[in-house]
Amino acid sequence: GESVGLHLPTLSVQEGDNSIINCAYSNSASDYFIWYKQESGKGPQFIIDIRSNMDKRQGQRVTVLLNKTVKHLSLQIAATQPGDSAVYFCAENPTDKLIFGTGTRLQVFP
Amino acid sequence: KAGVTQTPRYLIKTRGQQVTLSCSPISGHRSVSWYQQTPGQGLQFLFEYFSETQRNKGNFPGRFSGRQFSNSRSEMNVSTLELGDSALYLCASRRQGNEKLFFGSGTQLSVL
Repeated sequence: GESVGLHLPTLSVQEGDNSIINCAYSNSASDYFIWYKQESGKGPQFIIDIRSNMDKRQGQRVTVLLNKTVKHLSLQIAATQPGDSAVYFCAENPTDKLIFGTGTRLQVFP
Repeated sequence: KAGVTQTPRYLIKTRGQQVTLSCSPISGHRSVSWYQQTPGQGLQFLFEYFSETQRNKGNFPGRFSGRQFSNSRSEMNVSTLELGDSALYLCASRRQGNEKLFFGSGTQLSVL
């Protein structure tokens, strides 16, 4: 399939620390990338996006970095809070459809 | 502005039956996409509709179909249900292509 599900990697961080979630995308033609957050029982929620003409974009407590050379995307969350606990997905847009990565579970402990 | 609304929230069906799921996009959004989410396969693209026309299709069998109405509301249908169709079905909308998708809360389908 286009989104192959494997064992979901987990990142555990202490409250107040910074979190970095990584994603490798597959299609060199992708020119638009999005990070989503999904909490239990809810649909994915938009966090931040970036287009391929940029390599960094900042939002509120979040930063997305794009490295087109190695097809790598990362999401940095500053001062991680318990409410940040969720599954995070990156998505790429090689055509008009969004293709999602497998996701990373972020666990925040006190 | 109201978000993407999906109904029903939960559904239980038996093998061989068919099911119809409904999605109302955000007002002004003409594109509606459907995704299937399972623990083993993650988020898989089903199809996208724009102005009542199917614009993109994923790698799913013909048992999965959809349509979009003139008011941009969309339905997806799954016929001859199989156990493996148990999943969270997510609908998402956007104004047009190459923009971020806004997701609904999904319909949790259980096939017994």
